[in-house]
Amino acid sequence: GESVGLHLPTLSVQEGDNSIINCAYSNSASDYFIWYKQESGKGPQFIIDIRSNMDKRQGQRVTVLLNKTVKHLSLQIAATQPGDSAVYFCAEVPRRDGNKLVFGAGTILRVKS
Amino acid sequence: GAGVSQSPSNKVTEKGKDVELRCDPISGHTALYWYRQSLGQGLEFLIYFQGNSAPDKSGLPSDRFSAERTGGSVSTLTIQRTQQEDSAVYLCASSPGTGIYGYTFGSGTRLTVV
Repeated sequence: GESVGLHLPTLSVQEGDNSIINCAYSNSASDYFIWYKQESGKGPQFIIDIRSNMDKRQGQRVTVLLNKTVKHLSLQIAATQPGDSAVYFCAEVPRRDGNKLVFGAGTILRVKS
Repeated sequence: GAGVSQSPSNKVTEKGKDVELRCDPISGHTALYWYRQSLGQGLEFLIYFQGNSAPDKSGLPSDRFSAERTGGSVSTLTIQRTQQEDSAVYLCASSPGTGIYGYTFGSGTRLTVV
């Protein structure tokens, strides 16, 4: 869903199910895309990244998909666990300014046991 | 240290007062960044230091905001004449060099202006 004002979209999933978190980006001239996980009271933690010349990358229990045609990024988490509960952000690394991350608004993931 | 350290972790200040937020980057990291995270929002870039180069201040929202980095290590973000809209979590990150490789965030300073 869309985030409006201070309200982040929330995804609630049952423990053991797969989660899919989506992100729309705006800059077609971005070299990298990164997913971060942020737990309460902590800074963002790197999960996985993907170069703009790829459309899929897999990590441990996570997969990132990149659709450049519609400027869409998704994070898939397999067998979601309670420890996955957090806010998830996508970030772009602009080609012309590769040192600044441009963050999306975030999605809250709640895992129900 | 093992990670990026920020202090204080929480700061409550009265409107109009000045505040200083501190960041200790990972030892040996030449790049240091400040971001701001308002309630329920993503992170907003503020300023970037790389080695001895002039900092990129393009994200600072007003001239009340300034930052310095002494000796290529510790950085201080200063907000003068704080306003309620400055209330946010201020996050620092460091990386070994240019680009996003090894980008590591601290836990942030939660600033509340009352």
